[in-house]
Amino acid sequence: QKEVEQDPGPLSVPEGAIVSLNCTYSNSAFQYFMWYRQYSRKGPELLMYTYSSGNKEDGRFTAQVDKSSKYISLFIRDSQPSDSATYLCALRDSGGYQKVTFGTGTKLQVIP
Amino acid sequence: KAGVTQTPRYLIKTRGQQVTLSCSPISGHRSVSWYQQTPGQGLQFLFEYFSETQRNKGNFPGRFSGRQFSNSRSEMNVSTLELGDSALYLCASAGLINTGELFFGEGSRLTVL
Repeated sequence: QKEVEQDPGPLSVPEGAIVSLNCTYSNSAFQYFMWYRQYSRKGPELLMYTYSSGNKEDGRFTAQVDKSSKYISLFIRDSQPSDSATYLCALRDSGGYQKVTFGTGTKLQVIP
Repeated sequence: KAGVTQTPRYLIKTRGQQVTLSCSPISGHRSVSWYQQTPGQGLQFLFEYFSETQRNKGNFPGRFSGRQFSNSRSEMNVSTLELGDSALYLCASAGLINTGELFFGEGSRLTVL
C-alpha cells in the first residue's frame, strides 16, 4: 500500500465549477500538508501549506485536513481555464526536513 | 530573484552510460533536494543536501548519487543507466525555515534508449 493515495483523474469541469481534489494517507507521522500545482513542462509550485487539522483559505483555494481520518482535500471555487494543471498533494513528517512524499497527482482540465 | 536553474533541460543517453545533472538553487537557499518524476510512480524523493552534507536519502539504488558544493549548487549522477531511469529529474531548493516548502526547477528530462 502506498503511503499516499490520490485519484489520478483526469478531471474535466466547466468554467466556474467547484473542484474537489482529495488524498488519503496511511502514515500518522505526517504533520505538514501541502498542495502543489504543476503545469505541463514545468516544475511543481506550492499552492497551499498547513500543519493542523481544519481549513485554510487563500483566495479561491481552500485546503482541508482531517488528521483523524488521514484525509486531505483541496477545493477550488469559481474554477478558471488557467487552473488547468496537475495537482499534487504532498506530506512531510516533523523530522523529514525537505523529504516530501507526494501523491501521484490529479490532472484537472477546466473547460471554458 | 532568480529561481532554481537546472541543466541540461533535455538529454538522451543509451543504456550503460552515465549522466550528470546540475542544479543551481535560489540565492541564499542551502538545502537542495532531488526528485524523480515518472508517469507511473509520480514524484519520488531521491536525496537532500544541506551545507554539502547528505541529510536524507530515498529508496533508490546506489547508481544514483549526488553532491553539493560550497556555493550550494548540486549535481546528481546516475551510472550504468537503465531504460527505467527515463524520467523527469526535478531539483528543489528550500530556505532556512523548515516548512517543507520547496521551490522547484523546471527539471531535466532524461531519455534512456
